[in-house]
Amino acid sequence: QSALTQSASVSGSPGQSIAISCTGTSSDVGGYNYVSWYQQHPGKAPKLMIYDVSNRPSGVSNRFSGSKSGNTASLTISGLQAEDEADYYCSSYTSSSTWVFGGGTKLTVL
Amino acid sequence: EVQLVESGGGLVQPGGSLRVSCAASGFTFSSYWMSWVRQAPGKGLEWVANIKGDEKHYVDSLKGRFSISRDNAKNSLYLQMNSLRVEDTAVYYCTRRLPGTSSRDYWGQGALVTVSS
Repeated sequence: QSALTQSASVSGSPGQSIAISCTGTSSDVGGYNYVSWYQQHPGKAPKLMIYDVSNRPSGVSNRFSGSKSGNTASLTISGLQAEDEADYYCSSYTSSSTWVFGGGTKLTVL
Repeated sequence: EVQLVESGGGLVQPGGSLRVSCAASGFTFSSYWMSWVRQAPGKGLEWVANIKGDEKHYVDSLKGRFSISRDNAKNSLYLQMNSLRVEDTAVYYCTRRLPGTSSRDYWGQGALVTVSS
């Protein structure tokens, strides 16, 4: 049950697009379409942004999109806004019937 | 309105025990997988355990020390934590998951558990 691999930080200017990657194995990310993404602002509970690789919950901006190729999933945020600055975590179901999170990526909006 | 409200956090000495609870409302509690996710200070999220009916799963590193349970009649989720260690210090979040999806769509505000002498 090793954590999924995410880059520690990413940055972008307002209006730009950025992508955050999440790399696992064939026993988690690559084996199931059960990847989700969460946004967390300081001192707050995480908020679901994407589930089942590419589905957006009601109320989440369409600037957020998800995809997967092989053992790597990605979250893309287009038209960056100041309020997007937060920590982002990916999560996947695993072959052990458990769940695993990525280490988190800190997004800075310049 | 869906609400998940944790309680029972606090300060406990190493080796001690603590039970955190989660009161759920606004949905049919028994129909959902429920989970505990924790976050150590300044660290990332860690999935701890989940439960639906009699089916339970745990992260390997906590098996044998932590136990998840639920009371569907009381719409409540519990996490019994034994033999606590300093590294178990974290905010413990209660979450619900839509069946058949990876959608962990509602989270509680979290309960802070501090293990220290």
